[in-house]
Amino acid sequence: AQSVTQLDSHVSVSEGTPVLLRCNYSSSYSPSLFWYVQHPNKGLQLLLKYTSAATLVKGINGFEAEFKKSETSFHLTKPSAHMSDAAEYFCVVSPNTGRRALTFGSGTRLQVQP
Amino acid sequence: GAVVSQHPSWVICKSGTSVKIECRSLDFQATTMFWYRQFPKQSLMLMATSNEGSKATYEQGVEKDKFLINHASLTLSTLTVTSAHPEDSSFYICSARRGDSSYNEQFFGPGTRLTVL
Repeated sequence: AQSVTQLDSHVSVSEGTPVLLRCNYSSSYSPSLFWYVQHPNKGLQLLLKYTSAATLVKGINGFEAEFKKSETSFHLTKPSAHMSDAAEYFCVVSPNTGRRALTFGSGTRLQVQP
Repeated sequence: GAVVSQHPSWVICKSGTSVKIECRSLDFQATTMFWYRQFPKQSLMLMATSNEGSKATYEQGVEKDKFLINHASLTLSTLTVTSAHPEDSSFYICSARRGDSSYNEQFFGPGTRLTVL
């Protein structure tokens, strides 16, 4: 079984300040982990993925995430927020075998203030 | 590369009618496609997994006779909502996994907003 908990349903930051979106996972196996972003009326876009290689993963648009097995966490960070980062972010876990179906977290809405 | 399209992007229908939604992988072959449902301000819930040429695998609680899935080719999967009712109104999203992918990455379509009157 697998599950994902996004600890904050809503995060608000000022433009130019750091972003931290928190995610904890539960899995009975070594999983793949992803962060997806969903802008209004647009499809889901993959930000980054962890697939058992380097624990610090760099993604698009300056985002990165660190896989911490001991803490079962995969928090998403960005040093400096931009107005265009305002969107819904989903942390996602998937097994590496079988159907490899994705399990989505509940989402975190990021608001960026000018 | 790795573009997934959905058609239509939105549809309004009367209660009792059936609606078909298409999901296409435009520049790659998708051995597996997935269908999700997303209610307003909520997360995506997996409805079913479809493999080309075989029956779809439905998640618990999803009515297979109501949500008919056909994966006729390596680039096309369809979801038909039969005898639609207002409670079926939702945002339906498909995704596709590349046949040559060594990762679990899925590529998502832009979604189809269904409104049943």
